[in-house]
Amino acid sequence: EVQLLESGGALVQPGGSLRLSCAASGFTFNTYAMSWVRQAPGKGLEWVSGISGSGGTTYSADSVKGRFTISRDNSKNTLYLQMNSLRAEDTAVYYCARVVPGSLYYLNYWGQGTLVTVSS
Amino acid sequence: EIVLTQSPATLSLSPGERATLSCRASQSVSSYLAWYQQKPGQAPRLLIYDASKRATGIPARFSGSGSGTDFTLTISSLEPEDLAVYYCQHRSNWPPTFGLGTKLEIK
Repeated sequence: EVQLLESGGALVQPGGSLRLSCAASGFTFNTYAMSWVRQAPGKGLEWVSGISGSGGTTYSADSVKGRFTISRDNSKNTLYLQMNSLRAEDTAVYYCARVVPGSLYYLNYWGQGTLVTVSS
Repeated sequence: EIVLTQSPATLSLSPGERATLSCRASQSVSSYLAWYQQKPGQAPRLLIYDASKRATGIPARFSGSGSGTDFTLTISSLEPEDLAVYYCQHRSNWPPTFGLGTKLEIK
């Protein structure tokens, strides 16, 4: 069974940093592209970042480019999102999700999400 | 970036009725469109991809159609558990944007 378990969400001050983790199990992690998608309270969904199975290709939304970095450790079956220079508008539930093979951007397995709150 | 406009914002129907949800793209996305269902307090779930293909385990009452800029998600006979927000998403290019969602209420 595919499982994705996010952790690392917290309350952080504006300008602060946070690292999210997503522990994956139930599939061959290094053969799947992965992504982070966020959802602000009461709002819709926004793709944040994506990464290829090898980790060699990454892409990020303009809203986080230069501040957030996606990475993965295939030896640990774990996906990461390093978030720096956090802003109030980054407050959201962050979901880790697995990409449908060959689709680039469809997401067929999601974690339960981890809440990041940016506030003083 | 491609903007996806979903309508209506809210839809209120009774069990057994047919639901028709619309998603319009600001430019052609070919057939590269997916639909997701998000139930209260849960993560989204992929229902339909490439406009009309049902994802694994999705009941046959969910169907998708359309191409280019106009797409439809149809739920043929509503069940109480279909209460959710439904989002469309394209994969035509980066960034793969989502629509703002249609909230489906069950009377």
